Amino acid sequence: NAGVTQTPKFRVLKTGQSMTLLCAQDMNHEYMYWYRQDPGMGLRLIHYSVGEGTTAKGEVPDGYNVSRLKKQNFLLGLESAAPSQTSVYFCASSYSFGHDGYTFGSGTRLTVV
Amino acid sequence: KQEVTQIPAALSVPEGENLVLNCSFTDSAIYNLQWFRQDPGKGLTSLLLIQSSQREQTSGRLNASLDKSSGRSTLYIAASQPGDSATYLCAVRPPKAAGNKLTFGGGTRVLVKP
Repeated sequence: NAGVTQTPKFRVLKTGQSMTLLCAQDMNHEYMYWYRQDPGMGLRLIHYSVGEGTTAKGEVPDGYNVSRLKKQNFLLGLESAAPSQTSVYFCASSYSFGHDGYTFGSGTRLTVV
Repeated sequence: KQEVTQIPAALSVPEGENLVLNCSFTDSAIYNLQWFRQDPGKGLTSLLLIQSSQREQTSGRLNASLDKSSGRSTLYIAASQPGDSATYLCAVRPPKAAGNKLTFGGGTRVLVKP
């Protein structure tokens, strides 16, 4: 049981480049989330999805786009990367509401130079 | 707006001592509370999940309590070991009607010295 898988694990981008981070879960979770983690700022929610074909903004959505074309996948896109987007990105998933909590992926460390 | 606080931000104890980690939240209307562990450069690993109707959860050396009325949760780690060194995060989930987004505390960084 793989849980939540994020690819890639590391990436260096130049300012202005674009990229997509992929999150895949095999637990049939309805909800999926993208967080970023920065020193002194904690974990902040970027975007989330409550089901296939739906997305919503979190606390810090600017500069990011997301898509959830399949229930098991949640993509995070950076159209024009900026140094301020240097961070560690975590994907998580959960059931809509039940007795289970969130499951997190192992993270993607992104550096924008 | 829910706010979650973890004090202290860092803690250093000798091996064998019991660890007590605190988490406080401002809005007692929660669905559940989850404790995570994060090792340097790694992701978050779920340790314990306490539903709003529960008072505590136990797993091995770990015990987490929840007092909704006072807005507090405590994670106890018995007989600490150097391998327990990590950052511990708590997160609260709001009731169904209020959405589904976790609110995280800032974490407590724990060092267990041999």
